[in-house]
Amino acid sequence: GQNIDQPTEMTATEGAIVQINCTYQTSGFNGLFWYQQHAGEAPTFLSYNVLDGLEEKGRFSSFLSRSKGYSYLLLKELQMKDSASYLCAVMDSNYQLIWGAGTKLIIKP
Amino acid sequence: DAMVIQNPRYQVTQFGKPVTLSCSQTLNHNVMYWYQQKSSQAPKLLFHYYDKDFNNEADTPDNFQSRRPNTSFCFLDIRSPGLGDAAMYLCATSRDRGSSNEQFFGPGTRLTVL
Repeated sequence: GQNIDQPTEMTATEGAIVQINCTYQTSGFNGLFWYQQHAGEAPTFLSYNVLDGLEEKGRFSSFLSRSKGYSYLLLKELQMKDSASYLCAVMDSNYQLIWGAGTKLIIKP
Repeated sequence: DAMVIQNPRYQVTQFGKPVTLSCSQTLNHNVMYWYQQKSSQAPKLLFHYYDKDFNNEADTPDNFQSRRPNTSFCFLDIRSPGLGDAAMYLCATSRDRGSSNEQFFGPGTRLTVL
């Protein structure tokens, strides 16, 4: 079967750095997406990786290793507004998105 | 601004009373999706349309139906809502179906079944 694993919850301090990991087993791979979802709101797109390596976008970076079936989302200079769930999703060989359950990130002052 | 709009934002219905949720988009995207998301769970794909081509997920209950009368609009019909259907329903669009096509989400409709 297809599977996406992420930690359920993480806590970090305002101003710090946090890394949210995602491992996946899917039938085929056509890219990995990270979305941010605030409570009660819709997911919003953060990043897309299809090749190995690090993609940097402001305070957020996303890394991919296809051979290891592994990605992480790195958030720097954490702000209180970064408190949200972060969803990892993999596009499989049928171009369907397989979603993880999300990692709830709690930021403390 | 180009966007995905869902109405209503909150819907309360009674057990067994049909309900229709609507989604419209001004992005002119080819693909529209309906997801069901329950608290602290991954979004679950119910259907998607690639243009007029309807794709039903194998485990989507028959109780759920969808219509896409034109490029801009898509509807989700729940024929006989049960308590287990209470959830957030998310509509999303993407320009095309291939890789790198990010999905743009509407704000969602939160459905309560009494």
